[in-house]
Amino acid sequence: GAVVSQHPSWVICKSGTSVKIECRSLDFQATTMFWYRQFPKQSLMLMATSNEGSKATYEQGVEKDKFLINHASLTLSTLTVTSAHPEDSSFYICSARDSGTSGGNEQFFGPGTRLTVL
Amino acid sequence: DAKTTQPTSMDCAEGRAANLPCNHSTISGNEYVYWYRQIHSQGPQYIIHGLKNNETNEMASLIITEDRKSSTLILPHATLRDTAVYYCIVRVDFGNEKLTFGTGTRLTIIP
Repeated sequence: GAVVSQHPSWVICKSGTSVKIECRSLDFQATTMFWYRQFPKQSLMLMATSNEGSKATYEQGVEKDKFLINHASLTLSTLTVTSAHPEDSSFYICSARDSGTSGGNEQFFGPGTRLTVL
Repeated sequence: DAKTTQPTSMDCAEGRAANLPCNHSTISGNEYVYWYRQIHSQGPQYIIHGLKNNETNEMASLIITEDRKSSTLILPHATLRDTAVYYCIVRVDFGNEKLTFGTGTRLTIIP
């Protein structure tokens, strides 16, 4: 099946620093990837849709200048949390859909990245 | 996307069939029913999806009522590893359509 990886799996950083999270589709190409955030005991909330070669589309209430998304290739999207603060501590999850002709319409999720901001 | 309603939590004995209901009374004709699950501290895992016919794969079966206003996910022989939060999502089946997660059902498999 399609595999999506994320790196790092967890990160601890100081308040005010920036953190980059990578999302890779390992065995398929993805023109579109999605970034979600999940706080403890809550459901996943979509943050933005990442489009290869173009600007990301952000959900209402998500600051695009704080959460920078780059989708430079068909297998890699990155999310950078700039000037992180403790309230940004969360579980960040990406997903991707196989853009190939043999791909279905289901999205495949990465294992998530747990960010803790001190 | 249409909204869904699921029970907050359910228990099921190990080895028995787990039946997880989902109501989606406002589903549109072009919307599919998708099921994902999330084991603690992991990313969601795709389970199954369908439009109007019942579907079965190696993981589960999906039963959709004739009026499509509700569905049931069936795990035929639940194991402890099936303990997770199960999300029922309805969406149009264009590839780049986003998934909107509700609160899901927390399924606990009891030894």
